[in-house]
Amino acid sequence: NAGVTQTPKFRILKIGQSMTLQCTQDMNHNYMYWYRQDPGMGLKLIYYSVGAGITDKGEVPNGYNVSRSTTEDFPLRLELAAPSQTSVYFCASSYTGGGRNEQFFGPGTRLTVL
Amino acid sequence: GQQVMQIPQYQHVQEGEDFTTYCNSSTTLSNIQWYKQRPGGHPVFLIQLVKSGEVKKQKRLTFQFGEAKKNSSLHITATQTTDVGTYFCALHAGGTSYGKLTFGQGTILTVHP
Repeated sequence: NAGVTQTPKFRILKIGQSMTLQCTQDMNHNYMYWYRQDPGMGLKLIYYSVGAGITDKGEVPNGYNVSRSTTEDFPLRLELAAPSQTSVYFCASSYTGGGRNEQFFGPGTRLTVL
Repeated sequence: GQQVMQIPQYQHVQEGEDFTTYCNSSTTLSNIQWYKQRPGGHPVFLIQLVKSGEVKKQKRLTFQFGEAKKNSSLHITATQTTDVGTYFCALHAGGTSYGKLTFGQGTILTVHP
């Protein structure tokens, strides 16, 4: 199993540009998450999904959109990129059953908006 | 939303010294998880604590869950350079928010050889 994969690894955007961060998991997990991590800080939840077709906002959803058409994929869309969106973005997934719901993280996408 | 405070923010130790990070919540928790993130890496799950007063060990790491289920600690005995990284606690709210975690700000551990 590859686990959680994210593309791209790095990206530089100009202010106002848009992009989609891709996330795929092959563990058949029902939950998926997007976090952002600013330097020296913790993880802030942007959006999450409890299953295909169901998404919900996290702590910092403004400026982002998500969709979940399949169990495996959970892309994050940035519209009109702003310097405040410079961050490292992590996708994660978990299986919420049997009382164990640890999250498995992808390697991250390092985004710079100039 | 849930509030979580993790202290200290930074800890510098000499190799062989012990290290402890603490996590405190404003509410009673259903469970708590701990993650480690190596520099430049991604968070990796270490353990989940569920029961009041629970203590679990993984080699040199000891995890505790408070009796009131509002606080937790991670203790590393005789640190090694491989312990370098950021340690996060993550609170599980439970109920309708099942699956969602609130992460602490993390404790950045530096180990000097």
